[in-house]
Amino acid sequence: NAGVMQNPRHLVRRRGQEARLRCSPMKGHSHVYWYRQLPEEGLKFMVYLQKENIIDESGMPKERFSAEFPKEGPSILRIQQVVRGDSAAYFCASSQREGTDTQYFGPGTRLTVL
Amino acid sequence: AQSVTQPDIHITVSEGASLELRCNYSYGATPYLFWYVQSPGQGLQLLLKYFSGDTLVQGIKGFEAEFKRSQSSFNLRKPSVHWSDAAEYFCAVGGPLITGGGNKLTFGTGTQLKVEL
Repeated sequence: NAGVMQNPRHLVRRRGQEARLRCSPMKGHSHVYWYRQLPEEGLKFMVYLQKENIIDESGMPKERFSAEFPKEGPSILRIQQVVRGDSAAYFCASSQREGTDTQYFGPGTRLTVL
Repeated sequence: AQSVTQPDIHITVSEGASLELRCNYSYGATPYLFWYVQSPGQGLQLLLKYFSGDTLVQGIKGFEAEFKRSQSSFNLRKPSVHWSDAAEYFCAVGGPLITGGGNKLTFGTGTQLKVEL
């Protein structure tokens, strides 16, 4: 059973470009979480999605960031008009059920904004 | 609001020595507690978790943690550290905010473990 897949693993963008980060949850998992890890910090929750629904986006910046988890295909975290402060590692986690279920993390996408 | 404090940013131990990593949490209800380990450039691997029941939980790689409600702590321990344990360790607290609201995790800032041979 493959784990959580994220791609790309490394992404370099210039200021003002768009970044698209993809996450394929573990097989059978329909709950996806996105977290951001800034240098020298712990992970910060961004958004929680179920298939076709955003359940909790309380950690998402109000502008430029969006997320989706379509019925078919991976979850996408989209950052428009990136700025240097967006440089971070972005981790996706998935779980089989909501609530107390364990979250399994992907290897992350390391975004560098030049 | 929930929060996690890991007071030790860096810890160095000799191989074969015992280890204890501290974690204190703040949470308004019975917490769900986790320890994850992150190797450089890698994702997070779950070491162990506490949801309820026995307050001493066993995890992978010989780690254990003890939930102490009175001290709001969930410290991670290992009796004998191996060089391969060098990594960064994160404590996290979670719990459903509302019914159907998922399990948003709040992480500490991590403890970097260095193992001397």
